[in-house]
Amino acid sequence: AQTVTQSQPEMSVQEAETVTLSCTYDTSESNYYLFWYKQPPSRQMILVIRQEAYKQQNATENRFSVNFQKAAKSFSLKISDSQLGDTAMYFCAFMTPLSGNTPLVFGKGTRLSVIA
Amino acid sequence: DAGVIQSPRHEVTEMGQEVTLRCKPISGHNSLFWYRQTMMRGLELLIYFNNNVPIDDSGMPEDRFSAKMPNASFSTLKIQPSEPRDSAVYFCASTPPYSEAFMNTEAFFGQGTRLTVV
Repeated sequence: AQTVTQSQPEMSVQEAETVTLSCTYDTSESNYYLFWYKQPPSRQMILVIRQEAYKQQNATENRFSVNFQKAAKSFSLKISDSQLGDTAMYFCAFMTPLSGNTPLVFGKGTRLSVIA
Repeated sequence: DAGVIQSPRHEVTEMGQEVTLRCKPISGHNSLFWYRQTMMRGLELLIYFNNNVPIDDSGMPEDRFSAKMPNASFSTLKIQPSEPRDSAVYFCASTPPYSEAFMNTEAFFGQGTRLTVV
């Protein structure tokens, strides 16, 4: 079974500082995708960043970047220059495309608070 | 496109009543997923459809839960009879047909329905 583990239930960071959220996963598949989703208080699920497993280069999206360690099955999210609007739940997720898109498997989430 | 549309946004019902949650996926998407979110269990997959056909319903808690997708633009999740432990946020998500060339793997979520059973 595929599992995703987020070991930090809650984190906080000062505005403008950098924070890293951890995620590990377990799979026997070789082709898969990893995602970080953000859920602000509005509860909308928003895709932050995506990584293809076959790519060695870490994905980046503006202030958001990942550290993808395939051998260690680790996929951490780094948020630089944290902003108050980054306050949200962050979910790490995993998906294996078979004959089509398959369901995302989510971790339990990390609640991030950005403090002014 | 307006995105994935779920209705209602909030639902409060009494134990024993039937509840129907509705979802309209993004036009052109061929996979639809129903998730349930609770504090204790996080985001759990209930059921998903490919091309309107249910593929995996192993996450449906029990026979009180049923889901249908009569066409590509509409799906329902029904709970009958509802119980207080069904209180949660229910999300619907859709994805486009997968293409290795485009790697279009992003799942688009609706706003969710917050269900409270009293």
